[in-house]
Amino acid sequence: AQSVAQPEDQVNVAEGNPLTVKCTYSVSGNPYLFWYVQYPNRGLQFLLKYITGDNLVKGSYGFEAEFNKSQTSFHLKKPSALVSDSALYFCAVRGSGNTPLVFGKGTRLSVIA
Amino acid sequence: DVKVTQSSRYLVKRTGEKVFLECVQDMDHENMFWYRQDPGLGLRLIYFSYDVKMKEKGDIPEGYSVSREKKERFSLILESASTNQTSMYLCASSLYVRLDRPGNTEAFFGQGTRLTVV
Repeated sequence: AQSVAQPEDQVNVAEGNPLTVKCTYSVSGNPYLFWYVQYPNRGLQFLLKYITGDNLVKGSYGFEAEFNKSQTSFHLKKPSALVSDSALYFCAVRGSGNTPLVFGKGTRLSVIA
Repeated sequence: DVKVTQSSRYLVKRTGEKVFLECVQDMDHENMFWYRQDPGLGLRLIYFSYDVKMKEKGDIPEGYSVSREKKERFSLILESASTNQTSMYLCASSLYVRLDRPGNTEAFFGQGTRLTVV
């Protein structure tokens, strides 16, 4: 069965500092990995995905994520955080085949001015 | 632009009522999903559908049913609403995964329906 762990419920970072939101996964076969962001009272917005190829994936709003197969991780990163990045972030995984996304429990990012 | 529309942003219903949550997508996607979101629990899959008139149970189907009569529309039905079904409900759609396009399969979400059962 597929699963995703986001070990931190909350991440606090100062504006301008780099940020990392952690994600580890478990899946049989090749993983397809995704990050989504949710602003208050809104649906989820797609940020980026890893399917194959380069381990470093670039996405929307200056975010990137690094796929590490040996550590089964897909951490979300940004070199310089903005206050407007404050939101709830979800990591998700899908295995091979037409299977639904399985989500982590989410990490609340708070960027302080 | 990709669009998934949920018919209501906020709903208040009474215990025991039959509740319909509607979702429409305009992207000709084969797959459609219903998740519920609760604090500390993330998103949990209720039901999904790969095609018209087809449905599969997700992780928490009890107390729910679904209907997909047309490709663009996926309805979630609470047969007899209960207070423990108070939650945020999110609909999503995606392309069917094929071997020749394994990657083009991110899900697109609606704005969500916040349902309160009193």
